Amino acid sequence: NAGVTQTPKFQVLKTGQSMTLQCAQDMNHEYMSWYRQDPGMGLRLIHYSVGAGITDQGEVPNGYNVSRSTTEDFPLRLLSAAPSQTSVYFCASAPGGLGAKNIQYFGAGTRLSVL
Amino acid sequence: SQKIEQNSEALNIQEGKTATLTCNYTNYSPAYLQWYRQDPGRGPVFLLLIRENEKEKRKERLKVTFDTTLKQSLFHITASQPADSATYLCALDMGNGSGGYNKLIFGAGTRLAVHP
Repeated sequence: NAGVTQTPKFQVLKTGQSMTLQCAQDMNHEYMSWYRQDPGMGLRLIHYSVGAGITDQGEVPNGYNVSRSTTEDFPLRLLSAAPSQTSVYFCASAPGGLGAKNIQYFGAGTRLSVL
Repeated sequence: SQKIEQNSEALNIQEGKTATLTCNYTNYSPAYLQWYRQDPGRGPVFLLLIRENEKEKRKERLKVTFDTTLKQSLFHITASQPADSATYLCALDMGNGSGGYNKLIFGAGTRLAVHP
């Protein structure tokens, strides 16, 4: 099993450009989430999904869109990149539910720089 | 809103000693508390989970305690090794999420350096 796969690993964008960060999991997990990690701060939730066709906003959703057309895939779209979106982005999946079922399995991350 | 505090300063210890990391939170206690390890350039990896009605949980050289009165969890690594050097994150699972989704609130993590 590959677990959670994120692509690309690195990306440099110019302000105003758009792009999609890809995330795929092969564990048949119900829940998927996108986080961003900035120096000195905890992981912050951007968007999440509890199943195919269902998404919702997290703590910092502005400037990002998501969709979940299949159980496996959960892409994150940056609509018009801004320097404030320079960060490391992690995708995670979880079986779903409370306690042990909410253990997050993370991808390796995408390091994004917006110039 | 719920906040988590982990010591932002790196913890430096000698090989073979016990490392103790602290996770403090405000407001109400979570249903569950999780600990993750994160190596440079990698995603966090789950280590241990403890429920609010549990005092202590162990896994090999790892031990987690949970004190809801102090609003604190301690993470211990006994007989530490240089390979234990990493950043350790705590996360609160508040439970009772809408639509069945229980959000995790992550601390910023504490970097541990174990010296030979």
